[in-house]
Amino acid sequence: AQKVTQAQTEISVVEKEDVTLDCVYETRDTTYYLFWYKQPPSGELVFLIRRNSFDEQNEISGRYSWNFQKSTSSFNFTITASQVVDSAVYFCALSDYGGATNKLIFGTGTLLAVQP
Amino acid sequence: EPEVTQTPSHQVTQMGQEVILRCVPISNHLYFYWYRQILGQKVEFLVSFYNNEISEKSEIFDDQFSVERPDGSNFTLKIRSTKLEDSAMYFCASSEEGRITHEQYFGPGTRLTVT
Repeated sequence: AQKVTQAQTEISVVEKEDVTLDCVYETRDTTYYLFWYKQPPSGELVFLIRRNSFDEQNEISGRYSWNFQKSTSSFNFTITASQVVDSAVYFCALSDYGGATNKLIFGTGTLLAVQP
Repeated sequence: EPEVTQTPSHQVTQMGQEVILRCVPISNHLYFYWYRQILGQKVEFLVSFYNNEISEKSEIFDDQFSVERPDGSNFTLKIRSTKLEDSAMYFCASSEEGRITHEQYFGPGTRLTVT
């Protein structure tokens, strides 16, 4: 079965703190893709990253970094030196061959509040 | 850069009314999707569409829902008789192909409010 779990419902940090958002996934497939999206208060989904299951290298993009560990089925997201503009809901998602098409299975999201 | 567009951005309708949400996918994309997000909840897959047919649908996508590609550019989601619980953000997405190697591009969403 396909499933994405984001156990952290809400996280509150003070500006400049580092914060890690957890994502654990379940899939029977060996080939799959993992995603992170940001949803600011305006409501749109902002694509952050897509990672395939064969690429376990960690990725860094500015203040954002992602730690993909197949051994623990986790794809965690770290924001370094958080800023107020990072306040949003963050969704982790999975796409695999479990369905007829490449639909995305989303986690329940983590609300990040960055206080000034 | 090409993008998926959705209209309207916000739709208010009365319970029992029909509503049509519109999407213009990226022009060379062949696969189209609708997702729903009830306020404060996760984004859920509704349906995927290819070659004028539904490719896959979720259990949420019941007989009240239908999708159509009425012309070469629009992709629509129709809800026949809206219920209060249909109030949600509806996202359209498109991709070049339906395999997982091909990324989906999301539109900005339509917020549907049923009163």
